Amino acid sequence: GENVEQHPSTLSVQEGDSAVIKCTYSDSASNYFPWYKQELGKRPQLIIDIRSNVGEKKDQRIAVTLNKTAKHFSLHITETQPEDSAVYFCAAPKGDDKIIFGKGTRLHILP
Amino acid sequence: DAGVIQSPRHEVTEMGQEVTLRCKPISGHNSLFWYRQTMMRGLELLIYFNNNVPIDDSGMPEDRFSAKMPNASFSTLKIQPSEPRDSAVYFCASSSGTVVEQFFGPGTRLTVL
Repeated sequence: GENVEQHPSTLSVQEGDSAVIKCTYSDSASNYFPWYKQELGKRPQLIIDIRSNVGEKKDQRIAVTLNKTAKHFSLHITETQPEDSAVYFCAAPKGDDKIIFGKGTRLHILP
Repeated sequence: DAGVIQSPRHEVTEMGQEVTLRCKPISGHNSLFWYRQTMMRGLELLIYFNNNVPIDDSGMPEDRFSAKMPNASFSTLKIQPSEPRDSAVYFCASSSGTVVEQFFGPGTRLTVL
C-alpha cells in the first residue's frame, strides 16, 4: 500500500528566506499530490496540488515539484512571511479512492 | 455554501461514556471522510464513505468505534465506550470525488477524562 514520508518534521526559516518541504511516496501508480496547510487551531486546507502529467506548478510564492522517477515531490515557499507559519501536510493516493497524509512539517517563520 | 459542518466543536466526557460526533458534508459532495489528529500519530484516516456506503474502515482503531451515513447530508462517528487515549481532534471532510481536493470541517476536540 501507499506510504508517504515527509521531511523535515520541523523547519525554522528567517522571514524573507525560502522554505522547502519534501515528501516521498511508494506507489508508482500515484498520480495526484496535494499539499494542505493547517494553521494553529484551524482545519487543514488545500494550498496547491499537482498531477503526474506535469513536473512543476506555481501559485504566487508557492510551488510544487514532482519527480516521478524518484517518487518524490516538494513544496517550495519563497519570500516567507509570518502568515506562512503553520503545519504543512503532503499527501498521495492509495489506490483509486483515498489519499494518505504525511506526518506534517511544522514551519516557523522567524522575525 | 456553509462548508462542512461538525458538532459539537468541543466535547469533554468521562471514560466509559458514549460519544457521538456529527458531520454535515458540503451539498453535492459524494465522498465523506473521518480523520483523527493527534500529535503522535498525525492525521489518520478512520473511515470513508462514497455515496453513503462505507468503502474502507480499515483505519477504525477498534470495535469501540463505529460510523454511519444514513443519507447524503449526515454522518456520525460513535465511540462506545470512550477511553482517555481517544482524546484527539476528529475531522470530517467531504469531496466531489475520492482523489480530489477534500474540504475539512472545523473539527471536534474530544477530551476523555
